[in-house]
Amino acid sequence: AQSVAQPEDQVNVAEGNPLTVKCTYSVSGNPYLFWYVQYPNRGLQFLLKYITGDNLVKGSYGFEAEFNKSQTSFHLKKPSALVSDSALYFCAFRSYNFNKFYFGSGTKLNVKP
Amino acid sequence: KAGVTQTPRYLIKTRGQQVTLSCSPISGHRSVSWYQQTPGQGLQFLFEYFSETQRNKGNFPGRFSGRQFSNSRSEMNVSTLELGDSALYLCASSPSTSGGADTQYFGPGTRLTVL
Repeated sequence: AQSVAQPEDQVNVAEGNPLTVKCTYSVSGNPYLFWYVQYPNRGLQFLLKYITGDNLVKGSYGFEAEFNKSQTSFHLKKPSALVSDSALYFCAFRSYNFNKFYFGSGTKLNVKP
Repeated sequence: KAGVTQTPRYLIKTRGQQVTLSCSPISGHRSVSWYQQTPGQGLQFLFEYFSETQRNKGNFPGRFSGRQFSNSRSEMNVSTLELGDSALYLCASSPSTSGGADTQYFGPGTRLTVL
C-alpha cells in the first residue's frame, strides 16, 4: 500500500538551530509530495511540494525540503528555527488518480527560546 | 483571492442528531475534498467532489455524505451522530487542472463536538 510515514511524533529544537522534520514515502511511480503546517485550532497551510526536477524544493517561511529517491525520503528543513515555527507538521503525497491525499501522522515541532 | 471558508466554525450536537457543514472553495477551484481530523486517527480522507460529482471516497460509513453545488460550494452531512464523530472537519479546494501536481488549500475547519 502507498503511504507516507513520519517517524517522529515530536521534535525539539532550540531557537536559532537548524531543524529537520522527517518523512519517508512508499509510493509507486513518481510521487507528488507535500508539506503542510497546522497551528492550533487552524486548518493546514501549504508549505511546499515536490513534483519533479530539482531535488531541493524551497517553500514558504524559509522552509525547504530535499527529495531523496534512493532513501525514499522527503525531509523538511530550515536553517534557523524560530519559536513561531512551533506547530504540527504533516507530510503528504497525492495519489496519481485525481485528488486523493494521504497524510502522515504528523510531527509536533517545539522550538524553545 | 479569498481563501477557503468553512461554516460554522464550532458546533455542539447530541448523539443521534444530524449536522450539515458548509465549505466555500477558493474562487475558480472546482475540486473540494473533506477530511476528518482526530487525535487518535489523524487526518482521514472522507470524500472529494468535482463538478458536482463525487470523484473519490474514503472508508467512512454511509452516515457521512456530501454534495457539491454548481458554484463549487460543498456541504457535508453527518446523520445519527455518534460520540466518535467529534472531530475537526477540514475542507480543502484545488483547481484540479494539473492532475496530481495540484495543491490542496485548506479552510480553518469546523470543530464538531458530540455530547
